[in-house]
Amino acid sequence: QVRLQESGPGLVKPSQTLSLICSVSGVSVTSGDFFWNWIRQPPGKGLEWIGYIYYNGETSYNPSLQSRVSISADTSKNQFSLKLTSVTATDTAVYYCARGSFFNWFDPWGQGVPVTVSS
Amino acid sequence: DIQMTQSPTSLSASVGDSITITCRASQNIDIGLNWYQQKPGKAPQLVIYSAFSLQRGVPSRFSGSGSGTDFTLSISSLQPEDFATYYCQQRFSTPLTFGGGTRVEVK
Repeated sequence: QVRLQESGPGLVKPSQTLSLICSVSGVSVTSGDFFWNWIRQPPGKGLEWIGYIYYNGETSYNPSLQSRVSISADTSKNQFSLKLTSVTATDTAVYYCARGSFFNWFDPWGQGVPVTVSS
Repeated sequence: DIQMTQSPTSLSASVGDSITITCRASQNIDIGLNWYQQKPGKAPQLVIYSAFSLQRGVPSRFSGSGSGTDFTLSISSLQPEDFATYYCQQRFSTPLTFGGGTRVEVK
């Protein structure tokens, strides 16, 4: 069974860097069949795709965040990670990691980790 | 970016009712449309992919249709576990984008 689990600090100060890890079990992040995504959801709002990493290191980011975001993978730990720099209160959200099919549907998702940006 | 517009934003229904949610894309996305169900405090779950394909394990009372710019998600005979928020998502091009959601509430 494929499982994804997010981890990281629940509180980040403004202007600092948000760093999250997604631990994957049941499938290798080096599989060429899938993309590894980050998606976020501000409180009471809808979903925003942040970006993905492919097994070969190729990445794609939402242009709205591109200047501040990076996604990388640690194949030895079967994990991928998100870094978002210069955060502000508008980055407060539940952050999800999700496996993406080659045709870009997301399944499964991690349970999500809430991150608050506040001093 | 491709904009996704869902309607209605919320609807009230009773167990046993049939409902339909619509999603409109700002440009032609062929059948590149996925639907998710999200319950409070939980992650979204894939319901329909590629406009009309039912995800494994999802009850057959869920169905999807459409192509191009206009899509629908239908649920026949609503069950108590179906009350949730539903999101559409286009997979045609990056950035991948979602609709604003439709909340299905108990009447």
